[in-house]
Amino acid sequence: DTAVSQTPKYLVTQMGNDKSIKCEQNLGHDTMYWYKQDSKKFLKIMFSYNNKELIINETVPNRFSPKSPDKAHLNLHINSLELGDSAVYFCASSQRPFRSGDEQYFGPGTRLTVT
Amino acid sequence: QKEVEQDPGPLSVPEGAIVSLNCTYSNSAFQYFMWYRQYSRKGPELLMYTYSSGNKEDGRFTAQVDKSSKYISLFIRDSQPSDSATYLCPPQGGSEKLVFGKGTKLTVNP
Repeated sequence: DTAVSQTPKYLVTQMGNDKSIKCEQNLGHDTMYWYKQDSKKFLKIMFSYNNKELIINETVPNRFSPKSPDKAHLNLHINSLELGDSAVYFCASSQRPFRSGDEQYFGPGTRLTVT
Repeated sequence: QKEVEQDPGPLSVPEGAIVSLNCTYSNSAFQYFMWYRQYSRKGPELLMYTYSSGNKEDGRFTAQVDKSSKYISLFIRDSQPSDSATYLCPPQGGSEKLVFGKGTKLTVNP
């Protein structure tokens, strides 16, 4: 009974391709996130959704497009993949939006390698 | 100045040692101070969190926050090989966005 799950776990693809990563949480949380962890291990937020609405959109190329079909799912589609997109992408969720101090639950990550 | 900076590490200690992990932050609006632990090839998980200044103890772990100096610490007593991980200290305030630093990688050697 995984709380936050992501698929696929590994993704190897060529430059220029389009790919998607899926995320699902079974915690009943209202808010979901996408983070990128680069090779230097910095963890940076990309997007946040609350009840299917985008609430945080950091400076991310518009090749990245999140989609939230419902509160339990947040998918990430990436167009025209570039070498610099290679990283580990983490999905996360938290119970209450706009409430500081709430724990974020992270998925296991998707390791994307662009060749 | 980065919003949060951590001791760069990596840190390698023998089993049973007392470990001190430290962070500094720049934004005085931060009110919640969290420690996340990330094992290799896993997602981060919340270890402890503290509201405002003060100490909080949980078993072998003690978190300290000094808002006057914008300094955050995590102490691990009787460290175990299972404590080997990267520790992240994202402060938070005003929104649900966490600001992560690079983390400090800790290795506890048996």
